[in-house]
Amino acid sequence: DAGITQSPRHKVTETGTPVTLRCHQTENHRYMYWYRQDPGHGLRLIHYSYGVKDTDKGEVSDGYSVSRSKTEDFLLTLESATSSQTSVYFCAISDLRGRGGEAFFGQGTRLTVV
Amino acid sequence: SQQGEEDPQALSIQEGENATMNCSYKTSINNLQWYRQNSGRGLVHLILIRSNEREKHSGRLRVTLDTSKKSSSLLITASRAADTASYFCATAPGSQGGSEKLVFGKGTKLTVNP
Repeated sequence: DAGITQSPRHKVTETGTPVTLRCHQTENHRYMYWYRQDPGHGLRLIHYSYGVKDTDKGEVSDGYSVSRSKTEDFLLTLESATSSQTSVYFCAISDLRGRGGEAFFGQGTRLTVV
Repeated sequence: SQQGEEDPQALSIQEGENATMNCSYKTSINNLQWYRQNSGRGLVHLILIRSNEREKHSGRLRVTLDTSKKSSSLLITASRAADTASYFCATAPGSQGGSEKLVFGKGTKLTVNP
């Protein structure tokens, strides 16, 4: 498996609380992505990063922010969690200089907002 | 809206039969990728086809790409019960300064019955 770790793997939090999910890689890949997966929606891109301090929005970015202060870590923050953010969150990494965009995924974080 | 859309949403076949899944997309692409997800796990990359390629093989997998129709198909030959999983196509848009984004469809759930 590619060196990508998500933490925590499971979290239950209350509505209105801030939550931060962490994605850590040891592959030195340039690109990092956060997706959420919900039944009937497949994977939807939240935010992605193309370098340290370089990030951009995906298709479902409202209510989420990200930060990447070093190559190996990409943090996803829910400033004030809502029940609609209950989901499984996946981090992925990619290096376009390698095999042209193949992404490697973490094992996912199951977040429940009650 | 999501870039890729898989068809069918669900497919059930007998072991030994071939399975064909289709993916349609909307904008120009740099490459198209297929991924597999076993229940509760992260996605695993299967195969990547570039926009200037028409067909690619990897073991029992065959992928075709028709850029004029903005569609791709994944064929799994001689299926096995272990192929039971969800399959996703993902596209890297080619018109936004590079292939930074990787956008997924909703997936096809394949069940291979013993």
